[in-house]
Amino acid sequence: AQSVTQLGSHVSVSEGALVLLRCNYSSSVPPYLFWYVQYPNQGLQLLLKYTTGATLVKGINGFEAEFKKSETSFHLTKPSAHMSDAAEYFCAVSGPGTGNQFYFGTGTSLTVIP
Amino acid sequence: GAVVSQHPSWVICKSGTSVKIECRSLDFQATTMFWYRQFPKQSLMLMATSNEGSKATYEQGVEKDKFLINHASLTLSTLTVTSAHPEDSSFYICSAGLAGEAKNIQYFGAGTRLSVL
Repeated sequence: AQSVTQLGSHVSVSEGALVLLRCNYSSSVPPYLFWYVQYPNQGLQLLLKYTTGATLVKGINGFEAEFKKSETSFHLTKPSAHMSDAAEYFCAVSGPGTGNQFYFGTGTSLTVIP
Repeated sequence: GAVVSQHPSWVICKSGTSVKIECRSLDFQATTMFWYRQFPKQSLMLMATSNEGSKATYEQGVEKDKFLINHASLTLSTLTVTSAHPEDSSFYICSAGLAGEAKNIQYFGAGTRLSVL
């Protein structure tokens, strides 16, 4: 069975501060891991993904995430938050053991304080 | 590349009417498309997997006669909400996977907000 846990449904950071959004997964086989961002009344935009290879993945808008198998984590970070980063962020897992189905976390709402 | 277009972006309808939502892959062929439903402040719930040229696979608890899915071509899947009622009001999002590339990578449409009066 696959599942995704996003710790913290709401995260607030000051503009310019570090952004850290947490994601842990459970998977019986090596997973594919994704972070998506959703702005109000819009669909999901892919930020970054890990499938194979380098465990530190860089995405768009200055975000990156590191796959840590030992910790079953795929936390999303950005060194310096920008006002435009305020959005809903979803972590998702897929992979050979999921029947090609995506399993989404419950989402984390990021607020950036001026 | 890998753009998914969803139309309409917002629809308001009267209770009892049917609404069709289109999902198109603009620059690639998608043998598989997915339909999700999202309630306010919640995550995405997979409703069904749409396979080109065959019947859709519905998730448990999703009424297939209520949510009709047609995937007639490699670039188009449609979701029809039949006899819509206020409880069907929600945000519906489709996605498509690239054939050849890891099928597990999905690209999402912008979503359709359905409001049933």
